[in-house]
Amino acid sequence: DQQVKQNSPSLSVQEGRISILNCDYTNSMFDYFLWYKKYPAEGPTFLISISSIKDKNEDGRFTVFLNKSAKHLSLHIVPSQPGDSAVYFCASRPSGTYKYIFGTGTRLKVLA
Amino acid sequence: SAVISQKPSRDICQRGTSLTIQCQVDSQVTMMFWYRQQPGQSLTLIATANQGSEATYESGFVIDKFPISRPNLTFSTLTVSNMSPEDSSIYLCSVLGLAGGPSSYNEQFFGPGTRLTVL
Repeated sequence: DQQVKQNSPSLSVQEGRISILNCDYTNSMFDYFLWYKKYPAEGPTFLISISSIKDKNEDGRFTVFLNKSAKHLSLHIVPSQPGDSAVYFCASRPSGTYKYIFGTGTRLKVLA
Repeated sequence: SAVISQKPSRDICQRGTSLTIQCQVDSQVTMMFWYRQQPGQSLTLIATANQGSEATYESGFVIDKFPISRPNLTFSTLTVSNMSPEDSSIYLCSVLGLAGGPSSYNEQFFGPGTRLTVL
């Protein structure tokens, strides 16, 4: 049972445009959400997080939106740059635990 | 964030042998975890490495296959025992919570990974 889902395995975006990566979850007890970027042959790099008590968190070009009623979060990258090309994972955890569950990832390709 | 290193970065091993992967952190951390990422798959938690006691394994993972040590707050090892080609994966160490000071138990940081190929 996949509790964290990233239904788009890949996404292509023109440089300078907005990239929107989506993530759905099934457990209403999830209380914290993370986004990671992963280049080939490297470990995941932490990007941005959001608590379930918020609906938006922004850090530079990266903004994460959380819609608790829909159990959906999204990562917006504006403007997209070729260096953003990577696989992006969302992760979440049930309240009261430290164990994160990861989605299957979305491969973003930013075209120059 | 902590600086996390792993050794080896990659290895090619023969079926039936064992490999020990080391994870070193540049500061004391409260929690250390081991993950696996099989080809084309997501990250799957193998176990939580507990300092001074036996690791806590997730469903589907057992100590005989993946023995883990954590002798202190900055170091852990994962052994992949009696390997088969199905063990070919990237193995990742991650940490949570910088011990001894202001810490966050929300953001989790990863090492660079160990790419294992079993022939």
